Amino acid sequence: SAVISQKPSRDICQRGTSLTIQCQVDSQVTMMFWYRQQPGQSLTLIATANQGSEATYESGFVIDKFPISRPNLTFSTLTVSNMSPEDSSIYLCSVGKGGSTEAFFGQGTRLTVV
Amino acid sequence: AQSVAQPEDQVNVAEGNPLTVKCTYSVSGNPYLFWYVQYPNRGLQFLLKYITGDNLVKGSYGFEAEFNKSQTSFHLKKPSALVSDSALYFCAVRDQTGANNLFFGTGTRLTVIP
Repeated sequence: SAVISQKPSRDICQRGTSLTIQCQVDSQVTMMFWYRQQPGQSLTLIATANQGSEATYESGFVIDKFPISRPNLTFSTLTVSNMSPEDSSIYLCSVGKGGSTEAFFGQGTRLTVV
Repeated sequence: AQSVAQPEDQVNVAEGNPLTVKCTYSVSGNPYLFWYVQYPNRGLQFLLKYITGDNLVKGSYGFEAEFNKSQTSFHLKKPSALVSDSALYFCAVRDQTGANNLFFGTGTRLTVIP
């Protein structure tokens, strides 16, 4: 398994500002992902964070809005830029480890944009 | 393309009774199937998975799930429900091409009534 720490756990932000969410894993992992869970809805994959290269974004998500960094095999950040109330969601970091088929999740960051 | 359907938004069951949370899937080739649970203000916790082999898989907290290839289903079950089982349950699928990203169902809220 993997222990994943996300910071912050929650935040209330003003529209037009940006928030950076951090994801720290207790061991090196090959795959890191960022998901969004809008209120009352399921999880949607935003992007795959690639170590040493640009993130791979899913349809409907763009780098200008959700820039991602992954400087090493244990850490990634997701920034939610120029926020609007529609960005109010839970953002979850997820990791996959070589040899393990399941994904592990952080506790999530609950973002409210006012 | 992968997809997952959880036909019930809400399932209510009396404590001590058996519970079933339904899931059907669509994927090219053989699927990897997962169940996750989300408690309030928490991230997703892995419950169990089907990769290959025995169609009945056992997981955490007494849960089990049965893979049915002909019906493309992977229903979650527990013989005797506990009040503490009340939570949001997600079924997820990925194909075997190597990418670890998951496709999630819309979730089923399970309420166990004392």
